[in-house]
Amino acid sequence: SQQGEEDPQALSIQEGENATMNCSYKTSINNLQWYRQNSGRGLVHLILIRSNEREKHSGRLRVTLDTSKKSSSLLITASRAADTASYFCATVIYNQGGKLIFGQGTELSVKP
Amino acid sequence: KAGVTQTPRYLIKTRGQQVTLSCSPISGHRSVSWYQQTPGQGLQFLFEYFSETQRNKGNFPGRFSGRQFSNSRSEMNVSTLELGDSALYLCASSALAGGGYEQYFGPGTRLTVT
Repeated sequence: SQQGEEDPQALSIQEGENATMNCSYKTSINNLQWYRQNSGRGLVHLILIRSNEREKHSGRLRVTLDTSKKSSSLLITASRAADTASYFCATVIYNQGGKLIFGQGTELSVKP
Repeated sequence: KAGVTQTPRYLIKTRGQQVTLSCSPISGHRSVSWYQQTPGQGLQFLFEYFSETQRNKGNFPGRFSGRQFSNSRSEMNVSTLELGDSALYLCASSALAGGGYEQYFGPGTRLTVT
């Protein structure tokens, strides 16, 4: 079964609005990563947050991690039509090398 | 630096055949992983290789196999293809193994089994 559960499954917003996606997982992790995928193409790495970190920023992206609740959130501020894509969280578990365990993803649609 | 390349990009095969997919990682990257993506099961881990050794394997039948060469290029093979093997197969490379590093994905090979 998937380690990560993402919420919502789909999100539709207007350009300029903020988009928040949530990810929950089941077991203790080494780190959690967020990826973006455009229309069934390759995944693009967005951000990696380690288990001892609580928040990380990268440009318009803000990721939080709450290991006590086993959850993470990705916030995209001032969204653009080009942000339209599927977003996946992926966890890395200790002693499982580089294996990424993906959630089912959130499909984000940003309307101009 | 050139990104991760995968060949072929598209492939159509018939049930019972076998297929080999190829992945060239980013120059200097020694870790290569493979994932299968389907609408029903999502993204699932197949294998991870580092320095020609398989370090990790997902929960797939033995029909799925892989290898890594001394130049870090990797291939995966699927024998006796089934309709359910139709999927996007993604390869990812990382500078080091251990999971503490971001992974760079290729564009994928879309396999259709008829």
